[in-house]
Amino acid sequence: QKEVEQNSGPLSVPEGAIASLNCTYSDRVSQSFFWYRQYSGKSPELIMSIYSNGDKEDGRFTAQLNKASQYVSLLIRDSQPSDSATYLCAVIPPSNAGGTSYGKLTFGQGTILTVHP
Amino acid sequence: NAGVTQTPKFQVLKTGQSMTLQCAQDMNHNSMYWYRQDPGMGLRLIYYSASEGTTDKGEVPNGYNVSRLNKREFSLRLESAAPSQTSVYFCASKRASTDTQYFGPGTRLTVL
Repeated sequence: QKEVEQNSGPLSVPEGAIASLNCTYSDRVSQSFFWYRQYSGKSPELIMSIYSNGDKEDGRFTAQLNKASQYVSLLIRDSQPSDSATYLCAVIPPSNAGGTSYGKLTFGQGTILTVHP
Repeated sequence: NAGVTQTPKFQVLKTGQSMTLQCAQDMNHNSMYWYRQDPGMGLRLIYYSASEGTTDKGEVPNGYNVSRLNKREFSLRLESAAPSQTSVYFCASKRASTDTQYFGPGTRLTVL
């Protein structure tokens, strides 16, 4: 089982709709979760981080974390064509033997989102 | 501030050739990372440097070496390139006190 898995895409939604992106992770004790956006040919950029169960909202973006079910999701409300990109879920796995993880990220494979006018 | 810079942007190598990918950051970050990105596989960590003077292996270190030259610079070396190393390579950095990593523009490497 992959450590971080995302729902297979590509995902296509009409402009103005809600886009829902999902991610599951295998290690129950993971504590830090991130969503990165990557435009074609560009580098990833962080759009959301979440550490506690529940919802975290930032503008049109809402991240949801459920540690009991080991999933994290990203909702994009009022989707725009400019939201068309690959969305990468990333997790900082737990460190070994009580040490620090040094911020190492484990990424999912990404979900391609297309928002059509 | 330039942020994280990488050179070169594109490179074509023949099997067995060597090269070094350069990365520099001007944000006074402690930690630096090298990832590779292959189609359908997300990003995978090759090596990282938690602080100046330290380096450690990530998920896919075979065939690579790294050098943390100083606090600003972190290079990735391919000693004998193989077609399996064809990929996009990203360097990233972050401050010690946060989890936010900032990525460079990437190097697109093709090994023939």
